[in-house]
Amino acid sequence: DTEVTQTPKHLVMGMTNKKSLKCEQHMGHRAMYWYKQKAKKPPELMFVYSYEKLSINESVPSRFSPECPNSSLLNLHLHALQPEDSALYLCASSQDVQRNSYEQYFGPGTRLTVT
Amino acid sequence: AQTVTQSQPEMSVQEAETVTLSCTYDTSENNYYLFWYKQPPSRQMILVIRQEAYKQQNATENRFSVNFQKAAKSFSLKISDSQLGDTAMYFCAFMAGNYRGGATNKLIFGTGTLLAVQP
Repeated sequence: DTEVTQTPKHLVMGMTNKKSLKCEQHMGHRAMYWYKQKAKKPPELMFVYSYEKLSINESVPSRFSPECPNSSLLNLHLHALQPEDSALYLCASSQDVQRNSYEQYFGPGTRLTVT
Repeated sequence: AQTVTQSQPEMSVQEAETVTLSCTYDTSENNYYLFWYKQPPSRQMILVIRQEAYKQQNATENRFSVNFQKAAKSFSLKISDSQLGDTAMYFCAFMAGNYRGGATNKLIFGTGTLLAVQP
């Protein structure tokens, strides 16, 4: 029932590992987002891509590196993470805020555990 | 800076009854958008309802409706005929408008209200 998909669903990684989270949307949306969500807390915005260009970086540490290869795909590259980075990482997309199509649709998330 | 406040961390309602979730926000903007999102346990975030600030009429979506009081900066969600599947965390969210009359990309969430529907 979702048109925003995220892989993997779960990820366990050590602090020296390099891994990537992937997000894909099939709705023709031109804006894509990464959020971080801790248990029982609201999502916190990390990055926004608009027309495949990074438009917002909410002062996220450089150990998180986003990439938008095309309008349908969004990656989040992870390196040298800390245990406090363990969280649910949500991807979202929206059609085009310039045309008043601004609702964000969320994927199911990747639950990340850093050991 | 905009803020969103949900003063009810947890609520409980009997199946088939009506419940209202509160949300207030603070902004100096005149053009903005308000949303209610639902996040069931271990499931994805779903948009429940949205309201444009320039519209006076309250938004409705089936059993879900809002009471938008612009002057009071209040945006409450009413769930009628509550169902077990309504059990979830509900987030109120705010998005400022841009100078073109559209919206910015940045959603500001409240802290959430955990709603439990009892059989």
